[in-house]
Order: sequence, then structure tokens, then C-alpha cells
Amino acid sequence: EPEVTQTPSHQVTQMGQEVILRCVPISNHLYFYWYRQILGQKVEFLVSFYNNEISEKSEIFDDQFSVERPDGSNFTLKIRSTKLEDSAMYFCASSEQGVANVLTFGAGSRLTVL
Amino acid sequence: TQLLEQSPQFLSIQEGENLTVYCNSSSVFSSLQWYRQEPGEGPVLLVTVVTGGEVKKLKRLTFQFGDARKDSSLHITAAQPGDTGLYLCAGQDGGSQGNLIFGKGTKLSVKP
Repeated sequence: EPEVTQTPSHQVTQMGQEVILRCVPISNHLYFYWYRQILGQKVEFLVSFYNNEISEKSEIFDDQFSVERPDGSNFTLKIRSTKLEDSAMYFCASSEQGVANVLTFGAGSRLTVL
Repeated sequence: TQLLEQSPQFLSIQEGENLTVYCNSSSVFSSLQWYRQEPGEGPVLLVTVVTGGEVKKLKRLTFQFGDARKDSSLHITAAQPGDTGLYLCAGQDGGSQGNLIFGKGTKLSVKP
């Protein structure tokens, strides 16, 4: 069964460093998303991406964050100048359609900021 | 701000028992989805309900969307240890592109 692949599975970084989380969405999917889940809290929407541009973003997704689709397969989330409160599981997801769609989530990348 | 409240937060039952998990909001959603999440993994979609009053069945799981599309329930019949996990509901605003509003989840434990 097709799956969304995320790397790394766990990254530890020092506060102030930049991190890039990588995702390979399902090959025929057109919509891509990043969500995050702080330990013990809800899964929260960060951003959606379609046709090589951001289609929607939440209040969390400020200038510290950026997304990119550098080639035909990867979808990345860059977090600049990481803070302690950025520690969370970051989930990538993809879907064929937009509204009322079926999102397939990856297994997540755990980011620990020290 | 749209919120989804799930109850109960924790549920521990014996194998063979029935249970219902609730997902409530004061907001209307164009669709509502139920996910199951295992530790260390991403949410896995169980079902999507779109029409008010809709009922969907997935083996021993029955999902219902409220008539006003503000609430939903998940009923499990004759629970089994394999049903143990975190169950999440997520609502979608009709104008959004995959911006799902998640509830905090119900952690279910089914003891043999």
C-alpha cells in the first residue's frame, strides 16, 4: 500500500539551529500538508501546499517556518532558529484532492530542541 | 476558533464490552473524520462522514455524524484487545484545503 515517508524519524538539535524535515508524499497525490503534535496535545495544522505554493497556513506557521518542494518527490519543512517549544512530532500528509479529502499521514519526525 | 471536544479522554474496558466515544463542537463542519493513532505513528484514517445524520459501519465500528454536522460518535461493539489505541476525530471546514481541526483524542484500552 502506498505510504508517506518521513525522515529523519528523530532529530535532536540545539536551540537556535535550523532543521529540515523531509517527506516523500504518495506519488500521485497533489496536496501536501504539515501538521505537528506537541507531546500530550492535539494534532495541529501547520500548512497546506498545492501547485507549488502554500494554499493555507495556520497562525503557528510564522516566518520561522517555510516549505518547499525542491524536486518532483520531496516536500520539506524548514524550521529556522529553533526554540524549545518547537519540540514536537511533525507529521507530513498528502492527498489526491482538497476539500473532504482523504489524508494519508506519515509516521512523523520527532524533533527535540535542547 | 473551531474546537472539537472528545469524551471520554480515557476509557478502560474489558474484552467483549461495548463503548461509545463522542466528538462535539459548537461549529458546523463540512465533513468529519475519525482516525486511529498508534504510539510513534501517524494518524490512520478510519472513516469520513459528510452528510448530516450519516451512519457508516466498519465491521464492529459504527460512526455517526450529527444531523447538524456539529458532532459525531464512534461506537464499538464487542471490543477486542486489538482495538486498543488512540481514537481521534477531526473536522474539516468546507472552505479549507486539508486544514483539519483535531480533537485531543480518546485513549482506549481493552483488557483481555
